[in-house]
Amino acid sequence: DVKVTQSSRYLVKRTGEKVFLECVQDMDHENMFWYRQDPGLGLRLIYFSYDVKMKEKGDIPEGYSVSREKKERFSLILESASTNQTSMYLCASRIRTSGTDTQYFGPGTRLTVL
Amino acid sequence: RKEVEQDPGPFNVPEGATVAFNCTYSNSASQSFFWYRQDCRKEPKLLMSVYSSGNEDGRFTAQLNRASQYISLLIRDSKLSDSATYLCVDPNPGGGNKLTFGTGTQLKVEL
Repeated sequence: DVKVTQSSRYLVKRTGEKVFLECVQDMDHENMFWYRQDPGLGLRLIYFSYDVKMKEKGDIPEGYSVSREKKERFSLILESASTNQTSMYLCASRIRTSGTDTQYFGPGTRLTVL
Repeated sequence: RKEVEQDPGPFNVPEGATVAFNCTYSNSASQSFFWYRQDCRKEPKLLMSVYSSGNEDGRFTAQLNRASQYISLLIRDSKLSDSATYLCVDPNPGGGNKLTFGTGTQLKVEL
């Protein structure tokens, strides 16, 4: 069973703090993603990575950065948290083969920035 | 036009009913799609994939209409446990590794 884990389920931070969200997958997937999900806006892609040390901006990268030093770990960094970054953050990894294309999500981190 | 568009609902149906919802997409080159299911306060999970030949899995049937650029999800004999948000996904809207998610359609199955 594929497992994607995220470091925290709930997180409360103050404006201006640096925030690290960690994501780990155990299936050797190359592709990993960070999304945020907000009511009425659905899932929006922040960044994704298709290999170690490789990253690509998604649709809303402003205010975020990422790090992928190891294949199993993909970190999302909020350099200076702001209240508009209060959201549910979902990490995912993806397996694509000739017969399979599935994205597996972690349980999510609900971040509140005060 | 959004890449993937869904009616947010909610669709309120009685248990045992048949319900269907559509998702329209803008990339005419897309040849396959996914339906993901997301329970309240949970992460999305793959429900089924959709190709031009359609797909059926038990009470669930998904179809792709490339001429009109929409996909559909039909649920027969609805159960209370089917209550969730159903997300339509284009796995390759412009090539590369990005997926595009619709905002989801909420289904509520009631007694």
